[in-house]
Amino acid sequence: EADIYQTPRYLVIGTGKKITLECSQTMGHDKMYWYQQDPGMELHLIHYSYGVNSTEKGDLSSESTVSRIRTEHFPLTLESARPSHTSQYLCASSVRLAGNYEQYFGPGTRLTVT
Amino acid sequence: SQQGEEDPQALSIQEGENATMNCSYKTSINNLQWYRQNSGRGLVHLILIRSNEREKHSGRLRVTLDTSKKSSSLLITASRAADTASYFCATVSTSGTYKYIFGTGTRLKVLA
Repeated sequence: EADIYQTPRYLVIGTGKKITLECSQTMGHDKMYWYQQDPGMELHLIHYSYGVNSTEKGDLSSESTVSRIRTEHFPLTLESARPSHTSQYLCASSVRLAGNYEQYFGPGTRLTVT
Repeated sequence: SQQGEEDPQALSIQEGENATMNCSYKTSINNLQWYRQNSGRGLVHLILIRSNEREKHSGRLRVTLDTSKKSSSLLITASRAADTASYFCATVSTSGTYKYIFGTGTRLKVLA
């Protein structure tokens, strides 16, 4: 089991609300990622970070923002939730093992915007 | 858009049979990884194969990589009902960005 945590696990919220999805890892990994995944579909990278104070947008355009003030913490914020944001959000971190990076995933946050 | 495509999209087999799923990709890669996802959960890393390797084994898992065809396959031998999950391949490009590109996934159902 990887030491990467996401809260909340499930969230149902109304349109227009501001929400923050939390992700933390205790493994000291420098690289962290946020993915969006609709049920039964592929993962889409929305944000990633190479380390503290480093954040980049991923391949899928997203209205969310992220911050990386501490190594272990990589929260994702939606300023104004919309029904189109309904999806599962997966956080991951990666570590270099024998020259290759391997990802560890959190359990995910399932978001429903009504 | 995702560069990885997997086939089949879904597969149902009987317990004890072997399951094979394939992944194709488009760019030059540093390595290719396979992940498993149980319904509604995060992904779990299964196995990694480097671009200079052709085959790798881990328990009941066998992965092959053909860089000339830009494809990989995952074989699960003697499948069990507990293997029921979605399986994704992910590639890491040689561009040094440490970004993972995930395939579309194969949904495997093993019937007891």
